[in-house]
Amino acid sequence: AQSVTQLDSQVPVFEEAPVELRCNYSSSVSVYLFWYVQYPNQGLQLLLKYLSGSTLVKGINGFEAEFNKSQTSFHLRKPSVHISDTAEYFCAVSGAGSYQLTFGKGTKLSVIP
Amino acid sequence: SQTIHQWPATLVQPVGSPLSLECTVEGTSNPNLYWYRQAAGRGLQLLFYSVGIGQISSEVPQNLSASRPQDRQFILSSKKLLLSDSGFYLCAWSLGGEGQPQHFGDGTRLSIL
Repeated sequence: AQSVTQLDSQVPVFEEAPVELRCNYSSSVSVYLFWYVQYPNQGLQLLLKYLSGSTLVKGINGFEAEFNKSQTSFHLRKPSVHISDTAEYFCAVSGAGSYQLTFGKGTKLSVIP
Repeated sequence: SQTIHQWPATLVQPVGSPLSLECTVEGTSNPNLYWYRQAAGRGLQLLFYSVGIGQISSEVPQNLSASRPQDRQFILSSKKLLLSDSGFYLCAWSLGGEGQPQHFGDGTRLSIL
């Protein structure tokens, strides 16, 4: 079984500042990793995914994430945030041989003007 | 391209009343289908998933049920709603096989009075 820990439930950051949202996972098998964004009263939208290959993954809206196998982490980063990035972000993991996702509890990003 | 439709967007129901939420996917065949419930601060809870017509797996025992009468149709039902059934319900689909991301509908906000 897999588990996901999002270390921060809320992250405030000033507009145009960089941000990192942290995600750690636990799994006994190799994993696939995902980040999703959820705007208020909407469904989840896929930001990026790591399946294999390069550990640095680029996604939509200027976000990127780095897979670190030794630290079992998949942190999400953006060099300069905008007001429109205010949303909740979810990290998710799927284990090899499985099609189910296990989600973290989410991190609420608030961008301050 | 693939799209997912989920309705209604909001629903207010009295305790003890029945429930039917519907989800349909367009643009793909034989998708995996999923129902999640999202409660504030608790992340996403997988309720049911289906890998084919008539095949339903339940993750959490409760008074909800799911059915898949057609390849791209997934229905969440209850005969008698409880107060604890309030929440945000999300339908999702994915291609079969491991490592596939899930794609979400816009959700249904269910309030039980």
